[in-house]
Amino acid sequence: GAVVSQHPSWVICKSGTSVKIECRSLDFQATTMFWYRQFPKQSLMLMATSNEGSKATYEQGVEKDKFLINHASLTLSTLTVTSAHPEDSSFYICSARATRDERRNQPQHFGDGTRLSIL
Amino acid sequence: AQSVSQHNHHVILSEAASLELGCNYSYGGTVNLFWYVQYPGQHLQLLLKYFSGDPLVKGIKGFEAEFIKSKFSFNLRKPSVQWSDTAEYFCAVTGGFKTIFGAGTRLFVKA
Repeated sequence: GAVVSQHPSWVICKSGTSVKIECRSLDFQATTMFWYRQFPKQSLMLMATSNEGSKATYEQGVEKDKFLINHASLTLSTLTVTSAHPEDSSFYICSARATRDERRNQPQHFGDGTRLSIL
Repeated sequence: AQSVSQHNHHVILSEAASLELGCNYSYGGTVNLFWYVQYPGQHLQLLLKYFSGDPLVKGIKGFEAEFIKSKFSFNLRKPSVQWSDTAEYFCAVTGGFKTIFGAGTRLFVKA
């Protein structure tokens, strides 16, 4: 089945540093990838939609200068949390929808997530 | 705006009990509906999906869900739960292009 790989799975860093999270579709092309954030005991909140070759679309309330998204190829999207602070500590999950499936609106394939801990 | 509401945040059942988790959505157009499960320490997995046709959808592990358009609902059911069904269950709705998730329901099944 379709596989989405996320890296790293867990990162701990000091306040003020920037952290990059990668999301790769391993066996399919994904024009669109999605970035979610999950706080403890809460649901997934859509942060932004990443579009290959163009700017990401951010949800209301998500700072685009804080969460930089780059979707440079059909198999890779990156999320960079800039100048991270403890309140940015969360579980970040990416998902991808195969380009071939977009018109049929098939389910997204999820990565395993990245646990970000800012000290 | 698109939204998804899950009625129960926590459910505790004994093995062999029947399960029904509620999900209601609001969206003015055509929707696709999903139920995902997240077992402890694991990532999201798709349980079942509804796109069109028969409103009663059967998924993996004995789960099913019924789409009732007039009620904007997509409730998840299982006739007899097992201890291994302990997990968090998320209802998700795709309207237009975005997929929005409900807050989730934590199910704990007592052995």
